[in-house]
Amino acid sequence: DAGITQSPRYKITETGRQVTLMCHQTWSHSYMFWYRQDLGHGLRLIYYSAAADITDKGEVPDGYVVSRSKTENFPLTLESATRSQTSVYFCATSPNSNQPQHFGDGTRLSIL
Amino acid sequence: GENVEQHPSTLSVQEGDSAVIKCTYSDSASNYFPWYKQELGKRPQLIIDIRSNVGEKKDQRIAVTLNKTAKHFSLHITETQPEDSAVYFCAALGVSPNDYKLSFGAGTTVTVRA
Repeated sequence: DAGITQSPRYKITETGRQVTLMCHQTWSHSYMFWYRQDLGHGLRLIYYSAAADITDKGEVPDGYVVSRSKTENFPLTLESATRSQTSVYFCATSPNSNQPQHFGDGTRLSIL
Repeated sequence: GENVEQHPSTLSVQEGDSAVIKCTYSDSASNYFPWYKQELGKRPQLIIDIRSNVGEKKDQRIAVTLNKTAKHFSLHITETQPEDSAVYFCAALGVSPNDYKLSFGAGTTVTVRA
């Protein structure tokens, strides 16, 4: 869905490196979310944002940093990547907290 | 926070038969329950959702039922077709103060045999 763009789609990096995953939306949805997807765990929430300059932790926030200076962007940063952070990362948006969430195409991140 | 359990983890059905996936949730205040379908290598896509003021909802071959008393909800797919093969995720929206977050089940891999 062109409303949400994640970049890059694929990334390989080394342990200890900083890496930033980008999420951009064109819908002006208030809520934005970051999930990681690992086999056997489904989708686990890392961080979410209810509006610009408002962010909150999800289920698995350790090792991640987010910011939301503009409504349309919600970058996710791994400050010092670890192998356990190898995963597929999905960004999602919704108009408000109890409306359907729409997902981006995901970023497949491998940390060697 | 909300805890969602999903069963079975894998489901194989003959084309034309029905498939049923069940989920339970822990937060009795949860009031929104979406279902997502994810094909291999693709994004999760919403296929149907239900709110707590409704007991059942249908959309063509897909239906979802909700039992608030027992805190469980189910996805029913009738007349299954090969294109129904995918991973299906249930989710529940936690509504505790400051906790408007979706919790997902671990997923059910559905395979439709031709």
